[in-house]
Amino acid sequence: KAGVTQTPRYLIKTRGQQVTLSCSPISGHRSVSWYQQTPGQGLQFLFEYFSETQRNKGNFPGRFSGRQFSNSRSEMNVSTLELGDSALYLCASSLPQGDDTQYFGPGTRLTVL
Amino acid sequence: ILNVEQSPQSLHVQEGDSTNFTCSFPSSNFYALHWYRWETAKSPEALFVMTLNGDEKKKGRISATLNTKEGYSYLYIKGSQPEDSATYLCAFIISSGSARQLTFGSGTQLTVLP
Repeated sequence: KAGVTQTPRYLIKTRGQQVTLSCSPISGHRSVSWYQQTPGQGLQFLFEYFSETQRNKGNFPGRFSGRQFSNSRSEMNVSTLELGDSALYLCASSLPQGDDTQYFGPGTRLTVL
Repeated sequence: ILNVEQSPQSLHVQEGDSTNFTCSFPSSNFYALHWYRWETAKSPEALFVMTLNGDEKKKGRISATLNTKEGYSYLYIKGSQPEDSATYLCAFIISSGSARQLTFGSGTQLTVLP
């Protein structure tokens, strides 16, 4: 079974721009969660989507948004980028009615200049 | 805001040494605790999912215990090997209706010296 894939793997943007990151979950996984990791910080939860609906949201500003499609693929959008948005963005999928084990993708490394 | 704390932040041990780390979490509204291993240039991978007070899980040389009443979990590595070098993350889950959110600690970075 193919693992979680994320595109692009690396991205360089400038302040004020917007960015869209994509995540394809493991086949059969309907829940997709997004996390941000910055130096010295643990994984910070952004949001979770299940069956095309945002089921849970972390403590991030409204500039961070996401969506999920009917095939469970998910996108995350960050508008009006700030320098502090430079981070590794990980998505993870999990089984429906599972134990919430997160299966992580390789991440997208975003650099904001 | 939930606080999940891991200690120590980093650790260097010699090959063959045994070691352990701690994950502390709020003891109320507990649903589950996860441990993940995150090797450099790879994705985090699940080690254990623990749900019951007193749970003990084992995978090879790695084991974990859970105390939900006092809000801590220990991860043990017996006879550390260089390939055990990684960041070990714990994640605490509370249940609120149908939504379950994982809150991760900042991890313990383990380096095993040959």
